[in-house]
Amino acid sequence: DQQVKQNSPSLSVQEGRISILNCDYTNSMFDYFLWYKKYPAEGPTFLISISSIKDKNEDGRFTVFLNKSAKHLSLHIVPSQPGDSAVYFCAASEGTPDSWGKLQFGAGTQVVVTP
Amino acid sequence: ETGVTQTPRHLVMGMTNKKSLKCEQHLGHNAMYWYKQSAKKPLELMFVYNFKEQTENNSVPSRFSPECPNSSHLFLHLHTLQPEDSALYLCASSHGGAGGNTIYFGEGSWLTVV
Repeated sequence: DQQVKQNSPSLSVQEGRISILNCDYTNSMFDYFLWYKKYPAEGPTFLISISSIKDKNEDGRFTVFLNKSAKHLSLHIVPSQPGDSAVYFCAASEGTPDSWGKLQFGAGTQVVVTP
Repeated sequence: ETGVTQTPRHLVMGMTNKKSLKCEQHLGHNAMYWYKQSAKKPLELMFVYNFKEQTENNSVPSRFSPECPNSSHLFLHLHTLQPEDSALYLCASSHGGAGGNTIYFGEGSWLTVV
């Protein structure tokens, strides 16, 4: 039973525009959320995270929004650049100490940024 | 250079072979993990080690045997695997304990079982 879902397998966006990636979760015990980026033949690279006490976290061109009541988070990339073309994974974990590091991942969204 | 190094990057093995995947982290972390990514499936947690002690075995078959001799090194010993075990095996590490929720991955080891 998949607890983290990324319902859009792919997203195409023009360079300079905004990329919006969505993620939904079902486990109300999740309280820490992360986004990872993965290029082919490489391991996932940590991008940005957010804890449940916040509803927004920003780091440069990347902003993550969390809507706890809807069990939904999104990643905004502004402006999108060709180097952002990759697969993006949403991940979540529960708040108990023995859950730290045990992440549940979504299936990923392939982002293609076109010139 | 990544803080988590995995070798080999690619491995082809027969079903009767014994091989090992190696992982080393240079980040001063205390927790290490094995994750698996099969084709068209999300990443799945396999094992967790905290301060060299195994704290999680996510119902992984015994043909996968992890070993963590110290907080910087992690191995995955492979024995009598099946073709469906072909996947990308990712090692990761984190601080462990408070603040240990963000994990950092290695480049992965691509395993093909023939």
